[in-house]
Amino acid sequence: SQKIEQNSEALNIQEGKTATLTCNYTNYSPAYLQWYRQDPGRGPVFLLLIRENEKEKRKERLKVTFDTTLKQSLFHITASQPADSATYLCALGSGNQFYFGTGTSLTVIP
Amino acid sequence: GAVVSQHPSWVICKSGTSVKIECRSLDFQATTMFWYRQFPKQSLMLMATSNEGSKATYEQGVEKDKFLINHASLTLSTLTVTSAHPEDSSFYICATEVRGIRNQPQHFGDGTRLSIL
Repeated sequence: SQKIEQNSEALNIQEGKTATLTCNYTNYSPAYLQWYRQDPGRGPVFLLLIRENEKEKRKERLKVTFDTTLKQSLFHITASQPADSATYLCALGSGNQFYFGTGTSLTVIP
Repeated sequence: GAVVSQHPSWVICKSGTSVKIECRSLDFQATTMFWYRQFPKQSLMLMATSNEGSKATYEQGVEKDKFLINHASLTLSTLTVTSAHPEDSSFYICATEVRGIRNQPQHFGDGTRLSIL
């Protein structure tokens, strides 16, 4: 069965630095990959989608890369702010089926 | 504004009670709705896919008789946890997919925290 791993359970960085989160997967060939943000006690909120034929996607301070050879996606938040503190989930999908990673908790320290 | 409304947000009840959770799509008609469960510090696990006007499709290991799903209209799906027990305590989240558009991101509700005493 498919396996999705996100780097370290928690990541702490200084305000203004770039946060880099990793999503690795095995036993799966997703057609697309999505990143979500989840705050405590809330449902996930969609951030970015990248398809298998795309290498990189950007949205404001966010950047996502997708390497189907390495089976890895990197999620970058540049010029991080304390308000970026949350749990970030990657989700792999094909058709209508989604599989979520366990998430990485990011804390941006002022 | 919110695209998906989930109600209630928190339920505490005694063991053996049945609990109904509603998921409403506010801005569009949702042919398909998804129900997830999330335990503390774990990821979302898909329980079932609810299709308007037909039976839900359950993931392996999810008891269809315990988790009853009804998707009677394009804007409402309900999940009923029947005869809930403490091990059913979890965070239940619904999500919708826009009709006819594949591979689009899912819109999630804010979840229902279910605590069974």
